Amino acid sequence: AQTVTQSQPEMSVQEAETVTLSCTYDTSENNYYLFWYKQPPSRQMILVIRQEAYKQQNATENRFSVNFQKAAKSFSLKISDSQLGDTAMYFCAFMEYGNKLVFGAGTILRVKS
Amino acid sequence: KAGVTQTPRYLIKTRGQQVTLSCSPISGHRSVSWYQQTPGQGLQFLFEYFSETQRNKGNFPGRFSGRQFSNSRSEMNVSTLELGDSALYLCASSLWGELTYGYTFGSGTRLTVV
Repeated sequence: AQTVTQSQPEMSVQEAETVTLSCTYDTSENNYYLFWYKQPPSRQMILVIRQEAYKQQNATENRFSVNFQKAAKSFSLKISDSQLGDTAMYFCAFMEYGNKLVFGAGTILRVKS
Repeated sequence: KAGVTQTPRYLIKTRGQQVTLSCSPISGHRSVSWYQQTPGQGLQFLFEYFSETQRNKGNFPGRFSGRQFSNSRSEMNVSTLELGDSALYLCASSLWGELTYGYTFGSGTRLTVV
């Protein structure tokens, strides 16, 4: 079974600084997709960034970027110039066939002013 | 463009009762998935529907069921509620259920079983 591990239950960062959230996963497949979702107190899961496993180039979306290490099965999220609005729970998620997302346990990120 | 709409937002039910939750996907989206979120188990996949057909199902008992209508709206039903069914139930939709773009989620229905 596929598993996703987020080893940091909570993290804090000062406004305007950079923070990296860790994620590792386990799969025997070669083609799959990885996502980072953000869940603020409003409860809605918001897609932050996605990565196709067959693409070697790391995905970037504005202040958000990933470090995808396929051989190590690692998929970390870097948030640059952190803002108060980034405070949320962040979930790493994995999807291969079957259109089923497998989520990690989440990391609570607090951005401090 | 309206997002994924889930109703109701909050629900309180008594053990043994049944409950129906509703999800309206983004217009044009044909795939709808349901997830259960609890503090203990995290986010777990319930099932996915595409064009009124269940394509995939998670490891939940038969008390959990769902369906999708011709307009892509989906409902999930939980019968004989147990205290452990208290959770946030999230619905997500995508155009074709394709893998590449992820899913758009609703804000969920918070179910409390007492």
